[in-house]
Amino acid sequence: GENVEQHPSTLSVQEGDSAVIKCTYSDSASNYFPWYKQELGKGPQLIIDIRSNVGEKKDQRIAVTLNKTAKHFSLHITETQPEDSAVYFCAASLRSNDYKLSFGAGTTVTVRA
Amino acid sequence: DAGITQSPRHKVTETGTPVTLRCHQTENHRYMYWYRQDPGHGLRLIHYSYGVKDTDKGEVSDGYSVSRSKTEDFLLTLESATSSQTSVYFCAISVPAGKPSYEQYFGPGTRLTVT
Repeated sequence: GENVEQHPSTLSVQEGDSAVIKCTYSDSASNYFPWYKQELGKGPQLIIDIRSNVGEKKDQRIAVTLNKTAKHFSLHITETQPEDSAVYFCAASLRSNDYKLSFGAGTTVTVRA
Repeated sequence: DAGITQSPRHKVTETGTPVTLRCHQTENHRYMYWYRQDPGHGLRLIHYSYGVKDTDKGEVSDGYSVSRSKTEDFLLTLESATSSQTSVYFCAISVPAGKPSYEQYFGPGTRLTVT
């Protein structure tokens, strides 16, 4: 099955700086890569996703890039704010596989004021 | 919250007892999933359903069973709870996001403690 690795496991950044989280996947047939943000005591919230026919996608201060050749994708958060502090998860999926997601282990992001 | 509710939200039970967790969606989406979340492991798929009475195993299905008798409800049962099943359980649904794409949304979770 699909194996997703996520780095780093923890990330501390100064408010206003950028944060980057990287994930690699093993199955070259994977074609959908969502990112989730999870706040304490809540369920994961979908924040952005990218499909394999696209190399980059932006939504305000967040962006995701995908390198299919190297089988890795990254989340970029610019101008970080205290409310960006949370656990972030990457995931990979095969559309043909009933949309099941394989998750990375998560990155705890702390934004220092 | 994509119209997903989970019950109970918290439960403490003893080793060896059966436990059933419920996931309810307010819309008639076809795909529903049960994940467990443990430190250092992210979320791992337990079982999923692709329609009423249509279910299949995920990567960590041992000790769990599921049922889906109605489109809106997906039940997860721990036949005989063990301490290793202490975890936070999340239900999810896949929602169409423009053919042929889907997006997956999660419920608020159930924290289960097996003593």
